[in-house]
Amino acid sequence: DTAVSQTPKYLVTQMGNDKSIKCEQNLGHDTMYWYKQDSKKFLKIMFSYNNKELIINETVPNRFSPKSPDKAHLNLHINSLELGDSAVYFCASSRGSGSYNEQFFGPGTRLTVL
Amino acid sequence: GENVEQHPSTLSVQEGDSAVIKCTYSDSASNYFPWYKQELGKRPQLIIDIRSNVGEKKDQRIAVTLNKTAKHFSLHITETQPEDSAVYFCAASKSNGGYNKLIFGAGTRLAVHP
Repeated sequence: DTAVSQTPKYLVTQMGNDKSIKCEQNLGHDTMYWYKQDSKKFLKIMFSYNNKELIINETVPNRFSPKSPDKAHLNLHINSLELGDSAVYFCASSRGSGSYNEQFFGPGTRLTVL
Repeated sequence: GENVEQHPSTLSVQEGDSAVIKCTYSDSASNYFPWYKQELGKRPQLIIDIRSNVGEKKDQRIAVTLNKTAKHFSLHITETQPEDSAVYFCAASKSNGGYNKLIFGAGTRLAVHP
C-alpha cells in the first residue's frame, strides 16, 4: 500500500513549458508539503497546506502554484519552466501541522528542463 | 533566519566502525530534531528524532544526542553495516503559529566499506 504517491516519476520538458506534478496520500493526514531537492541534495521546503489551506509559502517564484483540492491531494503547477527548475520534487505529509509530527515523503519526481 | 549546519559532508568508515554526524542550529526556539536517511534514488525516511526536553535517545544501533545550550545535536551509528550507506539529513523545527517548518542540513554522504 502506497502511503504518499506522486506522478509522474520522471518529467522531461523544454524551457518555457507548463507542467504539473500530482501528489496523493492515503494516510488520513491533515498536512501536506512540497520540497525541492537540488543537484547537491539540498532539501528545501516550498509550500505546506493544512486541511486545504496554505500555511507555509517560502520564497518561491510565483511561477510555482500549489493547489489542494482536498486534504489528501496537493498538486504543484509550474509555469514557464526554466533550466534552474531542474530538481527532484518531493511531496510529503504529516498527521498535523505542529511540531513532533513525522513527515512521510513521496518517491519524488525528477524534473529535467532542457 | 533559521539555519542548520551539518558536518561532515562525506564520511567513509569500515564495516563495524562507528559513525558520527553533527549538526548545529541557529534558532534557540527550535524544539524538534529529526534525522532522515535517503538511500540512492529513494525518498528520505525518518530514522530517529528527539524533542528538546530530552538529551539523548537510542534505538538499537542508532542514537541521537542534543545539547540545547550549545545548539548542537548529533547522530551516532554503531557497528555500521554496508546497508547503512546513504545520505543522512538532520533537521530542526519549532512551533510557529501552530505549524512547524523543517529546516534541513545539507546532508552527509556515509559510505560503509565491507
